[in-house]
Amino acid sequence: GDSVTQMEGPVTLSEEAFLTINCTYTATGYPSLFWYVQYPGEGLQLLLKATKADDKGSNKGFEATYRKETTSFHLEKGSVQVSDSAVYFCALTQRRALTFGSGTRLQVQP
Amino acid sequence: NAGVTQTPKFQVLKTGQSMTLQCAQDMNHNSMYWYRQDPGMGLRLIYYSASEGTTDKGEVPNGYNVSRLNKREFSLRLESAAPSQTSVYFCASSVDSINNSPLHFGNGTRLTVT
Repeated sequence: GDSVTQMEGPVTLSEEAFLTINCTYTATGYPSLFWYVQYPGEGLQLLLKATKADDKGSNKGFEATYRKETTSFHLEKGSVQVSDSAVYFCALTQRRALTFGSGTRLQVQP
Repeated sequence: NAGVTQTPKFQVLKTGQSMTLQCAQDMNHNSMYWYRQDPGMGLRLIYYSASEGTTDKGEVPNGYNVSRLNKREFSLRLESAAPSQTSVYFCASSVDSINNSPLHFGNGTRLTVT
C-alpha cells in the first residue's frame, strides 16, 4: 500500500537557519503530495501541496518540489523563525483519504 | 467561521465504557474523516465518509463505529473502550475525496482509557 517516510526529529535550529525536512513516498500511480503543519494544541493545517511531477508548492516561505524520479517531496525554508516551531507532516493521496508520515518536530531557538 | 468543531476536547474513560465523539463542519463539505494520532506514528485513518450516506473503513477501524448523521455531522463511537484506544482523535473534512482537495482539521479530542 501507499506509505510516506519522513526524517525523524526533533530538528533543532537557530533562528534564520536553513531548513530541510526530508520526505519520500511509496505509491502506485501518481499521487498528490502535501505538507501539513501542526502547532501545539491545534489540528493540522495545510501548508502547501503539489499535484503532479515537477510542481513546486510554496507558502509562507516554505517550498517543496514533487520529484517523481526520486519519489521525494522535501520541505525547505531559507530562514526559519521561532514561530515556525511545530510538527510537520508529509502526506499523499490518491483519490481517497490522506496517508501521513509520522511527523517531524521542528524547534527553532532564538 | 467555525470550520470543523469536535467535542469533547478531553475525555477519560474506564476500560469497557462507551462514548461517542462528535464532529461537525460548517463548510458544506461532502467528505469527512476520523484519524487517530499516536506518538511516532503520525495520523492513521480510522473511518471516512466520502459523501452523506456512505462510510468506509480506513487503516485502523477495529473497535470503532461511525455514523454520518447528515452532511454536517460525522460521529465516532467506541462501544467498549480499551487502553489501546488512548490517543488523540482528529476529525477532518474536505470538499470531496476524489479530486485530492485538502483536509480541514478540528482541534482534536484527547482520550485516555484507564
